[in-house]
Amino acid sequence: SQTIHQWPATLVQPVGSPLSLECTVEGTSNPNLYWYRQAAGRGLQLLFYSVGIGQISSEVPQNLSASRPQDRQFILSSKKLLLSDSGFYLCAWTPGQLSSYEQYFGPGTRLTVT
Amino acid sequence: GQNIDQPTEMTATEGAIVQINCTYQTSGFNGLFWYQQHAGEAPTFLSYNVLDGLEEKGRFSSFLSRSKGYSYLLLKELQMKDSASYLCAFNTGGFKTIFGAGTRLFVKA
Repeated sequence: SQTIHQWPATLVQPVGSPLSLECTVEGTSNPNLYWYRQAAGRGLQLLFYSVGIGQISSEVPQNLSASRPQDRQFILSSKKLLLSDSGFYLCAWTPGQLSSYEQYFGPGTRLTVT
Repeated sequence: GQNIDQPTEMTATEGAIVQINCTYQTSGFNGLFWYQQHAGEAPTFLSYNVLDGLEEKGRFSSFLSRSKGYSYLLLKELQMKDSASYLCAFNTGGFKTIFGAGTRLFVKA
C-alpha cells in the first residue's frame, strides 16, 4: 500500500531564517506531487506541483521554492521566511498520468514564523 | 476566473441529515471532489463526481449539476465524529485542483 510522509510535524522559525520541508511517498512510482498551504480558517492554496523528477510548476510567486531530486521526494524551501509564511503545509500525491484524481495527503507540517 | 463558494459554518443535531452546498465557476472542469478535514489533521477523500447526478457511499452522498455549477454533500444519521470541515474542490482539467475554504460542521447532541 502507498504511504506519504512529511517532516517535521511542527516547526517554529524566526523571520528571516531558512526553511526546508520534506515529503516522501512509498509504494508507488512516478506520482504527481503537490505542496499546499492552509492558513488558519482558509482553504488549501496550491503552491507547487510536479509531474516528474526536476519538473516543478509554481502557482504562487513568493519567496518559496520546490525541488524534486528523486521520483518520490518533494522538498519545499525558503531562503528567508516571512511572517506571512506561517500556516499548515500539506504534501499530496496522485497517480501519475492521471490529471483528475483524488489526492492523498500527508500528515502536514505546522509552521509558525515568529 | 475560477472560484468556489461554500458556507462557512453549519450546525446540526446528532442523528439528523445535513446538506452542505457548493457552487463553483470555472472555464475548465474535470470533476468535483469532497474532502473531510478534522481540526489539525490532513484532508481525507470522501467523494468524486464527474457526471451529473447523485453518488451514494454509505451515510454520505454527493450530487453534481455541471450546468448550474453546483454540488452538495449530504450526510445522513449524523454522528458526533462527523464534526469537521468539509472541503469542496474541482479539477480544472489539468493537474490543478481548486479548493474551497471549507464548511465547518458542528454536530451537537
